[in-house]
Formats: sequence, C-alpha cells, structure tokens
Amino acid sequence: DTEVTQTPKHLVMGMTNKKSLKCEQHMGHRAMYWYKQKAKKPPELMFVYSYEKLSINESVPSRFSPECPNSSLLNLHLHALQPEDSALYLCASSQEGDSPLHFGNGTRLTVT
Amino acid sequence: GESVGLHLPTLSVQEGDNSIINCAYSNSASDYFIWYKQESGKGPQFIIDIRSNMDKRQGQRVTVLLNKTVKHLSLQIAATQPGDSAVYFCAEIYNFNKFYFGSGTKLNVKP
Repeated sequence: DTEVTQTPKHLVMGMTNKKSLKCEQHMGHRAMYWYKQKAKKPPELMFVYSYEKLSINESVPSRFSPECPNSSLLNLHLHALQPEDSALYLCASSQEGDSPLHFGNGTRLTVT
Repeated sequence: GESVGLHLPTLSVQEGDNSIINCAYSNSASDYFIWYKQESGKGPQFIIDIRSNMDKRQGQRVTVLLNKTVKHLSLQIAATQPGDSAVYFCAEIYNFNKFYFGSGTKLNVKP
C-alpha cells in the first residue's frame, strides 16, 4: 500500500463525458503532482502544485483541469478527452525542495 | 541503450548476480537524482537518491553512482533477487519541483 491514495483505480469514459480523478495524501507534503504515463514509457510531468497554488503547467491541453482544494487533496478534472489520452495517471507528493516524490498506484484511464 | 518505439531496453540477469542499470540525464543544471522501481500495475517506488555534490551513495543492496562530467547515473543492485524484476527509472530535478524521468530499463531476473 502507498501513502498516496488515488481513486478510482480504473475509469472508462466517452469523449463527451466529464469525470474527475482524485488523489489524497496525509504525509503533510506541500507539493503535489500529476503525471501521465503511456505503456512502456516514463511518467510525463503535467502539473505541480506548491502550497495549494499551481506552480507548473507543462503545456497541458485545457481538457485537463487540475484543482487543489486543500493541502491533502488533488483533483484532475477531465472533459472532452480524446482516445490518445488513454493512459495511467499518477499522482505524487513531496516535501518542498530536494526530496523524493511519493507516488500513488495511479488511475488507469480508457477513453472510448 | 535507448528505448525505441514500444520497446524498453531489457537487462536479463541470473538470480544472485549483480545488476547495473544505466541512465543518461539531460540537464547539466540538475542537482538531485532519484532511482525509482515500478512493478506492473503500481506507481513508481523510491529506491535511492543522490545530490549533485556526491558521486556515490549506498543503500541496502543498492548503490548509485553519479558522473556529472558525462551526465551519467547508474544503479547497482547486489545479489539480484526475483523480487527485483521491474522497470527502473532514473529521475532528475531542476528548476525546483520539476522532476523528469529517463526512458527506463526493464530488469528481468531469471531464477
């Protein structure tokens, strides 16, 4: 088990649907991250929140909308996705500064 | 080696042998590096880290070596076990909170 919890584990959605991915950590970490991982590829950075403010957006399409309601929660809102957005979406958290990321086990997203 | 298309470079070793996994990082300004292990269906798991002011760091059965001159990182696993079978990624951090991952190596441990 990890200390970063992601729900749901699996999600299938149509291209016209709106859905949200959720992430929670209770380690007191102040930085939280979204990564996207395609099969047999490394995780790709999407967004970083630092102290509940969006600090990094790696030119992610607007159909992905992150939200950080508080220091323990991170959401990723999905709307009008494309089949090529199907991937494993990983959430991570860390202390500020040079400290390792702690990952959840991800949400496996399939867009039909 | 480098991954091409959908193929991860694979390292096959016999149980009990030592493994060495290599990684070339991209940014000479990177000052913190981490090795992660990812098993099927799971998120990446922290193994060991090293800062740019060091060239070697040891953990339990693992050693990370950093060569900043050639921007190269390696992970050595001693007495490799079947439970070590996974995909291994190196990650570099620069520009504060920007963690970027290398292409990954699949380790296959034969019993």
